[in-house]
Amino acid sequence: GQNIDQPTEMTATEGAIVQINCTYQTSGFNGLFWYQQHAGEAPTFLSYNVLDGLEEKGRFSSFLSRSKGYSYLLLKELQMKDSASYLCAVPTSGTYKYIFGTGTRLKVLA
Amino acid sequence: DSGVTQTPKHLITATGQRVTLRCSPRSGDLSVYWYQQSLDQGLQFLIQYYNGEERAKGNILERFSAQQFPDLHSELNLSSLELGDSALYFCASSVGGRTPNYGYTFGSGTRLTVV
Repeated sequence: GQNIDQPTEMTATEGAIVQINCTYQTSGFNGLFWYQQHAGEAPTFLSYNVLDGLEEKGRFSSFLSRSKGYSYLLLKELQMKDSASYLCAVPTSGTYKYIFGTGTRLKVLA
Repeated sequence: DSGVTQTPKHLITATGQRVTLRCSPRSGDLSVYWYQQSLDQGLQFLIQYYNGEERAKGNILERFSAQQFPDLHSELNLSSLELGDSALYFCASSVGGRTPNYGYTFGSGTRLTVV
């Protein structure tokens, strides 16, 4: 079957670095997405990884290891506005839908 | 503004009733996806339409149905509503029928409360 696991909550301090992990099980692999979702708002696209390695985009980076079924999102120089849920998602093979993890709620403290 | 428009933003209705949620995709997008997000669950895929035709189905209840019209807007119909149907309903759109590598564009959602 298909499954995604993420920690439920994390807390970090403004200016720090935080790593949010995601492990997945899927039949076939068509890439992995990270989305950011502020409470009550729509998810917004952060990154897409389809090959192993690190993709860097400003303060946010995303890493993928296909052999380990593992990804992480790295947030540097944390800001208060980064307090949000971070959702890991994989498209299901042969179909057109995503399976989303339940999300990691990140609290950034001053 | 993402370009994906959902109406209404909020809806409060009683159990047993029927509601219709509406979504207009971003200009040029042919695919529309519906997702449900309950408090204790992640985003759950309901259904996808591509250029007017159903393309993929998730765990959508029989009480729920959807369609995509010739102008590409989509409606999600929820009937015989139960308390457990209270959730945020998101619509997303993309250009093609496959999940694009830049992700979906989500609308701002409709918050449905069933009392």
